Amino acid sequence: QQQVKQSPQSLIVQKGGISIINCAYENTAFDYFPWYQQFPGKGPALLIAIRPDVSEKKEGRFTISFNKSAKQFSLHIMDSQPGDSATYFCAASISGGGADGLTFGKGTHLIIQP
Amino acid sequence: SQTIHQWPATLVQPVGSPLSLECTVEGTSNPNLYWYRQAAGRGLQLLFYSVGIGQISSEVPQNLSASRPQDRQFILSSKKLLLSDSGFYLCAWSEQGAPGDEAFFGQGTRLTVV
Repeated sequence: QQQVKQSPQSLIVQKGGISIINCAYENTAFDYFPWYQQFPGKGPALLIAIRPDVSEKKEGRFTISFNKSAKQFSLHIMDSQPGDSATYFCAASISGGGADGLTFGKGTHLIIQP
Repeated sequence: SQTIHQWPATLVQPVGSPLSLECTVEGTSNPNLYWYRQAAGRGLQLLFYSVGIGQISSEVPQNLSASRPQDRQFILSSKKLLLSDSGFYLCAWSEQGAPGDEAFFGQGTRLTVV
């Protein structure tokens, strides 16, 4: 199965700091890379996504950095807040590649300490 | 706007009992529908997906089955639950066609088999 490897598994960051979560993929056909945020007992919600035609996408405090040659992408949360404490999943898929869905990383449990 | 409903939110079932989880989507037509299972520390595993009524594809062999009796209804079933079926089950949908990449998740069902 196509894999997306996510690290770290857990992360503790002080309030106001920068949280960084990394993902690496193997299939060069992937061309859609979303990040999902999941709070306990809830379903994942799309946070931000990027396509390989750009190297960076920023939405508020959340930024995706994408390195096509290294087959890596990362999520940066600037000025991290306690409300950002959640599990974050990276994912990848092939646009128009059918309904077999997204390939997810195993998730990062992020804790922002006040 | 589109919404996805999934129920029940929690369920405790004895080993060997049947299972039926239901998911419905509103505000869209002919969506792709998905069932995922989330085990602790193991990310999101795609179980089934459907591109239309009566069309079900299975990603992994298991004790579960899925059906799509109506365009916006997706059901996850089991005839006899196993302890290993415990987990957090998520229904999701995406638009048919390009880009069709963004997936929207329900709130999940926490299933405990005892």
